[in-house]
Amino acid sequence: GAVVSQHPSWVICKSGTSVKIECRSLDFQATTMFWYRQFPKQSLMLMATSNEGSKATYEQGVEKDKFLINHASLTLSTLTVTSAHPEDSSFYICSTYGGDLDYGYTFGSGTRLTVV
Amino acid sequence: GDSVTQMEGPVTLSEEAFLTINCTYTATGYPSLFWYVQYPGEGLQLLLKATKADDKGSNKGFEATYRKETTSFHLEKGSVQVSDSAVYFCALSGGTSYDKVIFGPGTSLSVIP
Repeated sequence: GAVVSQHPSWVICKSGTSVKIECRSLDFQATTMFWYRQFPKQSLMLMATSNEGSKATYEQGVEKDKFLINHASLTLSTLTVTSAHPEDSSFYICSTYGGDLDYGYTFGSGTRLTVV
Repeated sequence: GDSVTQMEGPVTLSEEAFLTINCTYTATGYPSLFWYVQYPGEGLQLLLKATKADDKGSNKGFEATYRKETTSFHLEKGSVQVSDSAVYFCALSGGTSYDKVIFGPGTSLSVIP
Protein backbone atom coordinates (compact mmCIF):
# COMPACT_ATOMS: atom_id res chain seq x y z
CA GLY A 1 0.00 0.00 0.00
CA ALA A 2 0.83 3.65 -0.07
CA VAL A 3 3.44 4.76 2.46
CA VAL A 4 4.26 8.20 3.76
CA SER A 5 7.61 8.60 5.48
CA GLN A 6 7.69 11.35 8.10
CA HIS A 7 10.86 12.66 9.76
CA PRO A 8 11.95 13.31 12.37
CA SER A 9 9.82 11.16 14.64
CA TRP A 10 10.69 13.35 17.59
CA VAL A 11 12.58 16.55 18.12
CA ILE A 12 13.46 18.80 21.05
CA CYS A 13 14.36 22.38 20.32
CA LYS A 14 14.97 25.61 22.17
CA SER A 15 12.49 28.46 22.18
CA GLY A 16 13.01 30.80 19.28
CA THR A 17 14.49 28.25 16.92
CA SER A 18 12.84 26.74 13.86
CA VAL A 19 12.10 23.11 13.17
CA LYS A 20 11.42 21.46 9.82
CA ILE A 21 9.30 18.34 9.48
CA GLU A 22 9.37 16.37 6.25
CA CYS A 23 6.85 14.03 4.72
CA ARG A 24 7.73 11.98 1.69
CA SER A 25 5.39 9.81 -0.28
CA LEU A 26 7.03 6.55 -1.30
CA ASP A 27 6.20 4.96 -4.64
CA PHE A 28 3.34 7.31 -5.41
CA GLN A 29 2.70 10.96 -6.07
CA ALA A 30 1.09 13.05 -3.37
CA THR A 31 -0.68 15.90 -5.09
CA THR A 32 -2.23 17.04 -1.85
CA MET A 33 -0.79 16.82 1.65
CA PHE A 34 -2.75 17.49 4.80
CA TRP A 35 -1.02 18.62 7.98
CA TYR A 36 -2.61 17.88 11.34
CA ARG A 37 -1.80 18.76 14.90
CA GLN A 38 -2.73 16.64 17.87
CA PHE A 39 -2.63 17.79 21.46
CA PRO A 40 -2.31 15.19 24.24
CA LYS A 41 -5.41 13.06 24.55
CA GLN A 42 -7.20 15.05 21.88
CA SER A 43 -8.23 14.52 18.32
CA LEU A 44 -6.42 15.59 15.19
CA MET A 45 -7.04 19.11 14.05
CA LEU A 46 -6.36 20.02 10.46
CA MET A 47 -3.87 22.87 10.22
CA ALA A 48 -3.46 23.28 6.50
CA THR A 49 -3.73 21.67 3.11
CA SER A 50 -0.91 21.92 0.63
CA ASN A 51 -1.02 21.26 -3.07
CA GLU A 52 2.07 20.67 -5.13
CA GLY A 53 3.32 23.86 -6.69
CA SER A 54 0.88 26.21 -5.03
CA LYS A 55 0.39 27.99 -1.74
CA ALA A 56 -1.02 26.09 1.18
CA THR A 57 -4.53 26.70 2.45
CA TYR A 58 -4.63 27.26 6.20
CA GLU A 59 -7.50 26.53 8.53
CA GLN A 60 -8.99 29.35 10.50
CA GLY A 61 -6.87 30.28 13.49
CA VAL A 62 -3.63 28.77 12.19
CA GLU A 63 -0.82 31.27 11.78
CA LYS A 64 0.56 30.83 8.29
CA ASP A 65 3.69 32.83 9.11
CA LYS A 66 4.50 30.55 12.01
CA PHE A 67 3.72 27.26 10.28
CA LEU A 68 5.35 27.42 6.88
CA ILE A 69 4.33 24.70 4.48
CA ASN A 70 6.16 23.90 1.29
CA HIS A 71 5.06 21.35 -1.28
CA ALA A 72 7.67 21.78 -3.97
CA SER A 73 7.42 18.33 -5.49
CA LEU A 74 4.91 15.54 -5.84
CA THR A 75 6.77 13.43 -3.30
CA LEU A 76 7.82 15.92 -0.64
CA SER A 77 5.96 18.31 1.63
CA THR A 78 7.53 20.12 4.57
CA LEU A 79 6.18 21.93 7.62
CA THR A 80 8.48 24.42 9.31
CA VAL A 81 7.60 25.67 12.76
CA THR A 82 9.27 29.07 12.96
CA SER A 83 10.36 30.77 16.16
CA ALA A 84 8.99 27.89 18.16
CA HIS A 85 7.58 28.41 21.65
CA PRO A 86 6.61 25.88 24.32
CA GLU A 87 2.94 26.17 23.33
CA ASP A 88 3.89 24.80 19.91
CA SER A 89 4.85 21.52 21.54
CA SER A 90 2.56 18.95 20.01
CA PHE A 91 2.29 15.89 17.79
CA TYR A 92 2.28 16.80 14.10
CA ILE A 93 1.05 14.33 11.49
CA CYS A 94 0.94 14.56 7.73
CA SER A 95 -1.49 12.72 5.53
CA THR A 96 -2.14 12.24 1.88
CA TYR A 97 -4.51 10.33 -0.31
CA GLY A 98 -3.03 6.98 -1.19
CA GLY A 99 -4.26 6.90 -4.73
CA ASP A 100 -7.60 5.21 -4.28
CA LEU A 101 -9.87 4.16 -1.50
CA ASP A 102 -8.24 0.78 -1.26
CA TYR A 103 -5.48 2.65 0.44
CA GLY A 104 -7.52 5.44 1.92
CA TYR A 105 -5.77 8.36 3.44
CA THR A 106 -2.26 7.42 4.42
CA PHE A 107 -0.72 9.01 7.48
CA GLY A 108 2.87 9.61 8.39
CA SER A 109 4.07 8.20 11.69
CA GLY A 110 4.01 11.64 13.27
CA THR A 111 6.54 14.01 14.79
CA ARG A 112 6.54 14.79 18.47
CA LEU A 113 7.86 18.30 18.94
CA THR A 114 8.94 19.51 22.35
CA VAL A 115 10.01 23.13 22.70
CA VAL A 116 11.98 23.94 25.84
CA GLY B 1 -20.20 21.85 8.36
CA ASP B 2 -19.39 18.17 8.42
CA SER B 3 -18.67 16.65 11.82
CA VAL B 4 -18.15 13.38 13.64
CA THR B 5 -19.29 12.51 17.15
CA GLN B 6 -18.00 9.57 19.16
CA MET B 7 -18.86 8.12 22.52
CA GLU B 8 -16.72 9.56 25.24
CA GLY B 9 -14.06 7.47 26.84
CA PRO B 10 -12.00 6.16 28.31
CA VAL B 11 -13.40 2.69 27.93
CA THR B 12 -11.99 -0.12 30.05
CA LEU B 13 -12.85 -3.73 29.25
CA SER B 14 -11.71 -7.12 30.36
CA GLU B 15 -10.06 -9.38 27.82
CA GLU B 16 -12.56 -11.26 25.62
CA ALA B 17 -15.33 -8.75 26.32
CA PHE B 18 -17.52 -7.35 23.55
CA LEU B 19 -16.66 -3.89 22.30
CA THR B 20 -18.90 -1.22 20.84
CA ILE B 21 -17.76 2.32 20.15
CA ASN B 22 -20.55 4.50 18.87
CA CYS B 23 -19.99 6.97 16.05
CA THR B 24 -22.44 9.29 14.35
CA TYR B 25 -21.79 11.84 11.68
CA THR B 26 -23.21 14.92 10.02
CA ALA B 27 -22.33 15.48 6.40
CA THR B 28 -23.60 16.81 3.14
CA GLY B 29 -23.54 14.39 0.28
CA TYR B 30 -22.31 10.86 0.64
CA PRO B 31 -19.04 10.70 2.55
CA SER B 32 -16.73 7.78 2.99
CA LEU B 33 -16.41 6.64 6.58
CA PHE B 34 -13.32 5.36 8.38
CA TRP B 35 -12.08 4.03 11.65
CA TYR B 36 -8.47 4.78 12.47
CA VAL B 37 -6.47 3.37 15.38
CA GLN B 38 -3.58 5.02 17.17
CA TYR B 39 -1.38 2.89 19.40
CA PRO B 40 0.59 4.61 22.16
CA GLY B 41 3.32 6.84 20.76
CA GLU B 42 2.51 6.05 17.16
CA GLY B 43 0.76 7.65 14.20
CA LEU B 44 -2.58 6.66 12.78
CA GLN B 45 -3.40 3.45 11.00
CA LEU B 46 -6.47 2.80 8.92
CA LEU B 47 -8.47 0.10 10.64
CA LEU B 48 -11.40 -0.19 8.28
CA LYS B 49 -13.54 1.82 5.89
CA ALA B 50 -16.87 1.93 4.10
CA THR B 51 -17.59 4.01 1.06
CA LYS B 52 -21.36 3.75 0.65
CA ALA B 53 -24.53 3.01 2.56
CA ASP B 54 -24.89 -0.52 3.94
CA ASP B 55 -21.22 -1.30 3.27
CA LYS B 56 -19.56 -3.21 6.07
CA GLY B 57 -15.91 -2.58 6.75
CA SER B 58 -13.96 -5.25 8.61
CA ASN B 59 -10.40 -5.89 9.70
CA LYS B 60 -8.65 -7.75 12.53
CA GLY B 61 -11.99 -8.84 13.98
CA PHE B 62 -13.38 -5.30 14.02
CA GLU B 63 -16.49 -4.44 12.04
CA ALA B 64 -18.53 -1.34 11.27
CA THR B 65 -21.55 -0.86 9.02
CA TYR B 66 -22.33 2.36 7.18
CA ARG B 67 -25.91 3.22 8.22
CA LYS B 68 -27.18 6.14 6.22
CA GLU B 69 -30.62 6.14 7.83
CA THR B 70 -29.15 6.66 11.30
CA THR B 71 -25.96 8.43 10.09
CA SER B 72 -23.91 6.00 12.14
CA PHE B 73 -20.79 3.89 11.81
CA HIS B 74 -20.43 2.05 15.10
CA LEU B 75 -17.29 -0.01 15.68
CA GLU B 76 -17.67 -3.52 17.13
CA LYS B 77 -15.48 -6.43 18.08
CA GLY B 78 -16.71 -9.64 19.58
CA SER B 79 -13.72 -10.41 21.80
CA VAL B 80 -11.11 -7.78 22.59
CA GLN B 81 -7.50 -8.49 23.44
CA VAL B 82 -4.96 -6.58 25.49
CA SER B 83 -3.22 -5.66 22.24
CA ASP B 84 -6.35 -3.76 21.14
CA SER B 85 -5.64 -1.08 23.75
CA ALA B 86 -5.36 2.12 21.74
CA VAL B 87 -7.25 5.26 20.77
CA TYR B 88 -9.88 4.81 18.08
CA PHE B 89 -10.96 7.63 15.79
CA CYS B 90 -14.06 7.67 13.67
CA ALA B 91 -13.64 9.86 10.60
CA LEU B 92 -15.25 10.90 7.35
CA SER B 93 -14.14 12.32 4.08
CA GLY B 94 -15.44 13.13 0.65
CA GLY B 95 -13.25 10.37 -0.66
CA THR B 96 -11.14 12.22 -3.18
CA SER B 97 -7.58 13.45 -3.09
CA TYR B 98 -8.80 16.98 -2.41
CA ASP B 99 -11.00 16.17 0.55
CA LYS B 100 -9.68 16.52 4.06
CA VAL B 101 -10.44 13.94 6.68
CA ILE B 102 -12.59 15.09 9.58
CA PHE B 103 -12.00 13.22 12.79
CA GLY B 104 -14.11 12.53 15.81
CA PRO B 105 -12.62 13.25 19.23
CA GLY B 106 -11.28 9.72 19.68
CA THR B 107 -12.14 7.03 22.20
CA SER B 108 -9.43 5.56 24.37
CA LEU B 109 -9.75 1.83 24.96
CA SER B 110 -7.90 -0.08 27.66
CA VAL B 111 -8.20 -3.84 27.77
CA ILE B 112 -7.11 -5.51 31.00
CA PRO B 113 -6.13 -9.16 31.35
